[in-house]
Order: sequence, then C-alpha cells, then structure tokens
Amino acid sequence: EVQLVESGGGLVQPGGSLRLSCAASGFTFSFYWMSWVRQAPGKGLEWLANIKEDGSEKYYVDSVRGRFTISRDNGKNSLYLQMNNLRAEDSAVYYCSRDGAYWGQGALVTVSS
Amino acid sequence: DVVMTQSPLSLPVALGQPASISCRSSQSLVYSDGYIYLNWFQQRPGQSPRRLIYKVSNRDSGVPDRFSGSGSGTDFTLKISRVEAEDVGVYYCMQGTHWPKTFGQGTKVEIK
Repeated sequence: EVQLVESGGGLVQPGGSLRLSCAASGFTFSFYWMSWVRQAPGKGLEWLANIKEDGSEKYYVDSVRGRFTISRDNGKNSLYLQMNNLRAEDSAVYYCSRDGAYWGQGALVTVSS
Repeated sequence: DVVMTQSPLSLPVALGQPASISCRSSQSLVYSDGYIYLNWFQQRPGQSPRRLIYKVSNRDSGVPDRFSGSGSGTDFTLKISRVEAEDVGVYYCMQGTHWPKTFGQGTKVEIK
C-alpha cells in the first residue's frame, strides 16, 4: 500500500524557515517524480514544486521560486521541502504527492508573529 | 500560467440524481506526446485530495464507475451518474500539461 507521511509543520515567524519531510513507503520511491502541493485555509489547491526521479530536474511555481527548495533522498525514501523567508501567505496545509496519484495527510504550516 | 475555470462553483444535487461539472482551460492541454493531462480530484471534508480521473477519462483504481470524465482541447466535464451521500465534497480539475500545473477553483457538491 502506498503511504506518504508528512512531518515538520508548525508555527514559524515571518521571515523564518521550516523544513518539511515526507516519508514514502509501499512503492519504489526512486522510480517516480514527486511533488509538493499546498492549500491555504478554506482555499483551493496550489501545485508548488516537482522533482524528477533522480533529483536532476526541479520545477517551482513563481510564488515560491527562490525561497523554497525541493529535494529528495532516494536511499531514505524521503522527500523534502526547505522553506525560507516565510510569509503570512505561505500559511497552508502542505501535501506531499506522488505526482497527483497519491497524497499524504498534509502538514500544517502557520506563519505568524 | 494556464487558467482553469470551473462551473458551477456550487452544486446542490438530490441523492440519486446526476451531476455535471465543467472545466475550461485558457489554452490547449494537448501535450507534445499527444496526450491531454487533465485530471479530476475529489476532496471530502477534512480529507486530502484524491484523484478520480487522469488523462481526461481514465478512472483511478477503486473509483466507482458512476464517475466519468470527458472532453477535448480546452473543454472538459466530470459527471456523476447518480450522486451518493459519500460524494459530498469539493471537486477540482487540474491540468498537468503545462508548468506550473494549475487547478480550477473547485466545485462544492452538496446534497439538496
């Protein structure tokens, strides 16, 4: 059974940093593109970033490019999202996804002073 | 960015009745490989999104056959043949042809 479990969410001050992790199991992690998607409270979905199977290609939406970094460790079956210079508008539930087909339960990030 | 426009945004439906959601893209979603990467997702209250349909009309494993997707070019439709109570939630279309991938605003399906 495919499982994606996010961790690392929490409360952070504006301008601060946070690193989300996603532990994958139930499939050969290194065979798949992986993604991060977020959902602000009461709002719709926003696709943030994609990373290729071997990590050699990464794509970001404009709203996070230069502040967020997607990465992966295939030896640990893990996906990461390093978030720097966080803003209030980054407050959201962050989902790890195997390119849309499977989703984690989400990690809540709240940016507030 | 490709803008995905859904209608209606709210859809009250009686149990057992059909429902239809429209999704229009601001540009063609035909990829260079000839496929159209148009997906439909369901998000039940308090849950993570779940993909129902991929590449316009292909149902994901475990998705009831009362859900169907159709369309071409820039116009797409998700149909529920007979709405059940468990279908309550928000439905999103999403294009995966162009980067960044973009979602529609969501259509809230509720029981009338």
